[in-house]
Amino acid sequence: KQEVTQIPAALSVPEGENLVLNCSFTDSAIYNLQWFRQDPGKGLTSLLLIQSSQREQTSGRLNASLDKSSGRSTLYIAASQPGDSATYLCAVRHYNFNKFYFGSGTKLNVKP
Amino acid sequence: DVKVTQSSRYLVKRTGEKVFLECVQDMDHENMFWYRQDPGLGLRLIYFSYDVKMKEKGDIPEGYSVSREKKERFSLILESASTNQTSMYLCASDPRDRGGTGELFFGEGSRLTVL
Repeated sequence: KQEVTQIPAALSVPEGENLVLNCSFTDSAIYNLQWFRQDPGKGLTSLLLIQSSQREQTSGRLNASLDKSSGRSTLYIAASQPGDSATYLCAVRHYNFNKFYFGSGTKLNVKP
Repeated sequence: DVKVTQSSRYLVKRTGEKVFLECVQDMDHENMFWYRQDPGLGLRLIYFSYDVKMKEKGDIPEGYSVSREKKERFSLILESASTNQTSMYLCASDPRDRGGTGELFFGEGSRLTVL
């Protein structure tokens, strides 16, 4: 069974710092990997989606990479801001298409 | 933009009540999902539907049922609510097309408290 792990569980950084969030998965038979942001009491907002054939995706200050062979993805946030404070989750879509596996998230706090 | 709308953001119900959670998506997606999210347990799949009137049990279907009479609407039903069903409920949808991106879209969530 696919297992998705996110380390660290929580992270506190000063404003302006560049940071990396990690996501690892045990089964490389994936269709895609998606990064989400979740604010307290809200739903999940999609940030970046990487197909299994891709190595990275970028959106603004966010860059996500995927190394399928090693079972790892990273979310890089440049020049962090207090508004980036949220929980970030990664989700792996299994190759059979209708099964998703979620990490438990990294709670990010960016201090002004 | 894809929009997944959950009709109730916050609900407070009594033990034994029947509860309906509604979810509507506006992008003609075949797949729709209901998850619950609890601290320390993450997201767990309750049910998923891949077409009208079609459904499959997820990891924790006990105490829940679902209804999908129209493609855009997927309802989660708690026949007799219990306190252990107090949780955040999240609806999601995606197109089933294998040639597509396979991107999953979530609603805003419904926070249910059962007293």
